[in-house]
Amino acid sequence: EAQVTQNPRYLITVTGKKLTVTCSQNMNHEYMSWYRQDPGLGLRQIYYSMNVEVTDKGDVPEGYKVSRKEKRNFPLILESPSPNQTSLYFCASSSTRDRAALGNYGYTFGSGTRLTVV
Amino acid sequence: AQSVTQPDIHITVSEGASLELRCNYSYGATPYLFWYVQSPGQGLQLLLKYFSGDTLVQGIKGFEAEFKRSQSSFNLRKPSVHWSDAAEYFCAVGAQNYGQNFVFGPGTRLSVLP
Repeated sequence: EAQVTQNPRYLITVTGKKLTVTCSQNMNHEYMSWYRQDPGLGLRQIYYSMNVEVTDKGDVPEGYKVSRKEKRNFPLILESPSPNQTSLYFCASSSTRDRAALGNYGYTFGSGTRLTVV
Repeated sequence: AQSVTQPDIHITVSEGASLELRCNYSYGATPYLFWYVQSPGQGLQLLLKYFSGDTLVQGIKGFEAEFKRSQSSFNLRKPSVHWSDAAEYFCAVGAQNYGQNFVFGPGTRLSVLP
């Protein structure tokens, strides 16, 4: 089954303790992205990656890091989490190869990771 | 840069009634437009998308949306709402460049009365 898998689904941590949220897709998608969702603000892009070893900042990158060493994986790293990073996080992927055909243009989302930083 | 507004934070309709969720976008060129639905505790699922051509697009679950360039709108409609449609709905605009940066609206929460 084509999917984006995030782990963990739920995470409670303390301020300053480094954590990693994993994201993996099995669709051979080039493009991957991280979003955070907060009430009334919709989804805001944190980082995205066009392909392996190519990453760039989204709208709200402060306090986050990412890496793209393999095509299928795109982990989100919080080096020193703070309470304002308490949020619902989504990983998403998309194919760019089919963009011209438009048929598959659009995201496949993971199920989300609810992070609480106390 | 593109932006999206969804004027209605929360809408309540009765089961069987018609539905229209509003979406307005700002983008300098012809946008790619999307509607996603998020059921409680779930990820986002693509309902429909507009790229070009016919301005009335059909999606899954009986939803449709109409692109109106003159109004910069992409409103979502359904003729008869089912209780299972209760969810949060997000409109998104994608730029026509390689970056594929989607910008999402703040969402509209739909409640359905029995």
